[in-house]
Amino acid sequence: EIVLTQSPGTLSLSPGERATLSCRASQSVSSNYLAWYQQKPGQTPRLLIYGASSRATGIPDRFSGSGSGTDFTLTITGLEPEDFAVYYCQQYGSSPPKTFGQGTKVEIK
Amino acid sequence: QVQMVQSGAEVKKPGASVKVSCKASGYIFRTYGISWVRQAPGQGLEWMGWISGYNGNTNYAQKFQGRVTMTRDTSTSTAYMELRSLGSDDTAVYYCARVESPYNWNSLEDYWGQGTLVTVSS
Repeated sequence: EIVLTQSPGTLSLSPGERATLSCRASQSVSSNYLAWYQQKPGQTPRLLIYGASSRATGIPDRFSGSGSGTDFTLTITGLEPEDFAVYYCQQYGSSPPKTFGQGTKVEIK
Repeated sequence: QVQMVQSGAEVKKPGASVKVSCKASGYIFRTYGISWVRQAPGQGLEWMGWISGYNGNTNYAQKFQGRVTMTRDTSTSTAYMELRSLGSDDTAVYYCARVESPYNWNSLEDYWGQGTLVTVSS
């Protein structure tokens, strides 16, 4: 089972700032099958990024994903008030199970 | 538009079973799969397994093998997840999610249901 470790656990930033979230895998993620989700309190996870760097439909271009192998990054350039949420990475390409990171909370400073 | 509508909240006693439904609309059910993911209160996301909308093939996370059964009814575009021998640590919100391939469990989840809270309590 691939373990995903996200850092930091909490990121305190102000609107307009840049957020950089990390996701490290315990072994290489095949075919870069790495996704990022956003979840707000009481809401369903929302797909942001898939294939490590492709934006899902309707996702603003301030969200970008990068990385390969075992190290992946989600960057949010110019935080909007609606971006304060919990972000999860997920690998969906290796042998089962699919696994998620423990989440990074982006909170207003 | 794609919608995944789940059944309502459940309260179960330890040792009981629960069956959650997920009705899909806005796409051709048989051309996608369905994953089930759960989230315990205040915790992260945990993938439970996948079922093909095409042929009903399943792939369960080892943790749930023997305790979970996923089925689907193509005539109503509905997927079901039954979890047996419930314990207090099964208290969670259970989500269904559309998976972009009907053949491979390791495809992307793109649209999610609203979640079903299952509470296990004596």
